[in-house]
Amino acid sequence: EVQLVESGGGLVQPGGSLRLSCAASGFTFSSYEMNWVRQAPGKGLEWVSYISSSGGTIYYGDSVKGRFTISRDNAKNSLYLQMNSLRVEDTAVYYCAREKGGKYIFDYWGQGTEVTVSS
Amino acid sequence: IVMTQSPDSLAVSLGERATINCKSSQSVKNFLAWYQQQPGQPPKLLFYWASARESGVPDRFIGSGSGTDFTLTISSLQAEDVAVYYCQQYYSSPPAFGQGTRLEIK
Repeated sequence: EVQLVESGGGLVQPGGSLRLSCAASGFTFSSYEMNWVRQAPGKGLEWVSYISSSGGTIYYGDSVKGRFTISRDNAKNSLYLQMNSLRVEDTAVYYCAREKGGKYIFDYWGQGTEVTVSS
Repeated sequence: IVMTQSPDSLAVSLGERATINCKSSQSVKNFLAWYQQQPGQPPKLLFYWASARESGVPDRFIGSGSGTDFTLTISSLQAEDVAVYYCQQYYSSPPAFGQGTRLEIK
């Protein structure tokens, strides 16, 4: 059974940092592209970042470019999101999502980890 | 590419048909997915390539359309279909979601 379990969320002050993790199991993690997608409270879905199966190709949404860093450790079946210079508007539930067929089709999602940026 | 769904919310009686529309600001061919997000849950993939049903999705759900206009139809609404539904284009980067359509029971 495919499982994605996020962790690392919490309350942080504006300008602070957090590192999110996503532990994957039930599939060959190293064969799949992975993404982070977020959802602000009561709002819709926003794509945040993509990383290829090898980690060699990375993309970011404009709203997080230069502040967030996606990475993965295929030996540990884990995906990460380092978030720096956090802003109030980064408050959201952050989901890791597996891609189907390498086309930004998100076929499995974790339960999410909540990030709150507030003073 | 901007994705716009209509309506924002919809109330349908049990057993009746529900129709949700999604329009893209430019053609996305058939690079379109639909997701269902039930209360307190992560999104669940329903369709990709506009009409390819994901494994396990009941056949009362139907995805259709191409180019700029897409439709998600639930042929006979069940109580468990109460959710927010999102369309998403993956024709070009960044992938973009519609604002969501909230489906309730009338």
